[in-house]
Amino acid sequence: NAGVTQTPKFQVLKTGQSMTLQCAQDMNHEYMSWYRQDPGMGLRLIHYSVGAGITDQGEVPNGYNVSRSTTEDFPLRLLSAAPSQTSVYFCASSYGRGGEIYEQYFGPGTRLTVT
Amino acid sequence: SQQGEEDPQALSIQEGENATMNCSYKTSINNLQWYRQNSGRGLVHLILIRSNEREKHSGRLRVTLDTSKKSSSLLITASRAADTASYFCATEAGGTSYGKLTFGQGTILTVHP
Repeated sequence: NAGVTQTPKFQVLKTGQSMTLQCAQDMNHEYMSWYRQDPGMGLRLIHYSVGAGITDQGEVPNGYNVSRSTTEDFPLRLLSAAPSQTSVYFCASSYGRGGEIYEQYFGPGTRLTVT
Repeated sequence: SQQGEEDPQALSIQEGENATMNCSYKTSINNLQWYRQNSGRGLVHLILIRSNEREKHSGRLRVTLDTSKKSSSLLITASRAADTASYFCATEAGGTSYGKLTFGQGTILTVHP
């Protein structure tokens, strides 16, 4: 199993550009999520999905869109990049049971710089 | 704001010593999880403790949970240089917050050989 994969590993954007960060998992997990991590900070939840076709906002959703058309993929779209979106982005997946989320498996991260 | 708050923010010890990190949270939870992050890498799950459990062990790790105080601690015994990393707690609240795993800001642990 590849686990959780993210592409690209690094990206530089100019202010106003758009792009999509890709995330895929091969563990048949229902739950997937996107976080951003800024220097010296913990992870902040951007968007999450509890199953195909279902997405919801996390703590810091502004400027980002997601969709979940399949169980495997959960892309994150930056609509119009801003310097404040410079960060490391992590995708994660996990299984849930009985209304409870269990251990999350993280991808290696995408380092995004917006100039 | 983030649910989990950890202390200390940084901890520096010698190899062989024990390291204790604490996490406090604000609302009721289904479970509390601890993760490790090596510099520049993704997070790795260490241990999960459910709200009806008080203590859990995994190898050199011991986690306690006090739901009355809304706090948890992670103890790493006989630390090694390879334990140098950032450690995060994360809480899973369930209910209307189902799907929202919220992380603390982490403790940076440095173990000197």
